[in-house]
Amino acid sequence: EVHLVESGGGLVQPGGSLRLSCAASGFTFSTSWMHWVRQAPGKGLVWVSRISSDESTTGHADSVRGRFTISRDNAKHTLYLQLSSLRDEDTAVYYCARSAGGYFDLWGRGTLVTVSS
Amino acid sequence: EIVLTQSPGTLSLSPGERATLSCRASQTIISSYLAWYQQKPGQAPRLLIYGVSSRATGIPDRISGSGSGTDFTLTISRLEPEDSAVYYCQQYGGSSQTFGQGTKVEIK
Repeated sequence: EVHLVESGGGLVQPGGSLRLSCAASGFTFSTSWMHWVRQAPGKGLVWVSRISSDESTTGHADSVRGRFTISRDNAKHTLYLQLSSLRDEDTAVYYCARSAGGYFDLWGRGTLVTVSS
Repeated sequence: EIVLTQSPGTLSLSPGERATLSCRASQTIISSYLAWYQQKPGQAPRLLIYGVSSRATGIPDRISGSGSGTDFTLTISRLEPEDSAVYYCQQYGGSSQTFGQGTKVEIK
């Protein structure tokens, strides 16, 4: 069965850092483009970052560019998101998602990041 | 960036009725790069429709998508209690994907 499982969320102070992980299983991770999408409490979905299957291409939303870094380890079937210089407005559930031609056909259950002093 | 505007904000209907959800784009969406997702409280989104009108695996045929250019529609015929959720459209034709703000479907 195919799965994505996020981890690494938690409470962090403004200006702090955190690394999220997303463990993939049940499919060929190394050939899949992967993304991070976030959802602030009670709000809608917002695309955050993407990475190509071979890690050669990455992209970030304007709101996180220069602060967040997406990466992956195909040998470990794991996707990462390094969050730095965190702000209150980064508080959200962070989902990893598999891309199939641009749309997202597989989602994890998400991990909550709370930025607060 | 392509902005997607969904309407109405909330739809309240009875079981068996038809739900029609709208998604309007600020510019033409190329190559039918539009998808729809369903999200229930406390759950991750689930893909319903991609490429404007192609149903994802396991999605019943009472759920359908249509449209072109800047105007797109998700139709749920014969509503069931399990359809109570928030529905999001997404465009993936540009350099960055964007989502609409969502339409909440309530079942009376």
